[in-house]
Amino acid sequence: DAGVIQSPRHEVTEMGQEVTLRCKPISGHDYLFWYRQTMMRGLELLIYFNNNVPIDDSGMPEDRFSAKMPNASFSTLKIQPSEPRDSAVYFCASSTTGNQPQHFGDGTRLSIL
Amino acid sequence: SQQGEEDPQALSIQEGENATMNCSYKTSINNLQWYRQNSGRGLVHLILIRSNEREKHSGRLRVTLDTSKKSSSLLITASRAADTASYFCAGGYQKVTFGTGTKLQVIP
Repeated sequence: DAGVIQSPRHEVTEMGQEVTLRCKPISGHDYLFWYRQTMMRGLELLIYFNNNVPIDDSGMPEDRFSAKMPNASFSTLKIQPSEPRDSAVYFCASSTTGNQPQHFGDGTRLSIL
Repeated sequence: SQQGEEDPQALSIQEGENATMNCSYKTSINNLQWYRQNSGRGLVHLILIRSNEREKHSGRLRVTLDTSKKSSSLLITASRAADTASYFCAGGYQKVTFGTGTKLQVIP
């Protein structure tokens, strides 16, 4: 079975550039989560969707961050403009319900120079 | 904000020994989950214990839950070098929130 698929695996770009991270959840999972992980702040929930609808975006750090889920099989997290402090590993996860086990992708390691 | 605080933050043991990690959480939960994260990879779900359960086993894993103390523990018996990873607890009601993690090193 295909797990959660994230792309790209690595992204290096200069500050000010737009960054788009992509996620394909597991088919049949109604919940999709975006996380950011850093050494300093640990694993932070940025936003989650239920049936393609954003439910809680209180973890999105700034207006520079936006997330969309146009259909059940695809989501994007966009940062525009990017800043060096956005450097982190970004994970996407999906689950059948909000409190059932989550399946994580292998993440996108983002470096903003 | 973090739901759980894992203790200890880091643990180093010899292969074959048992490893115990503790988690304290803040809000009400209907289940408590444990995850493992290998270096450079995403988190992998290990085991889920419901709020009306006190203990659960899965292979070399044993999880306990004390809802009166808002705490849980994960015991890995007969540890192996391959168990080297970070371990996270996660709990919640309508959605789960992850703790800060314990970094486990098993020395061959």
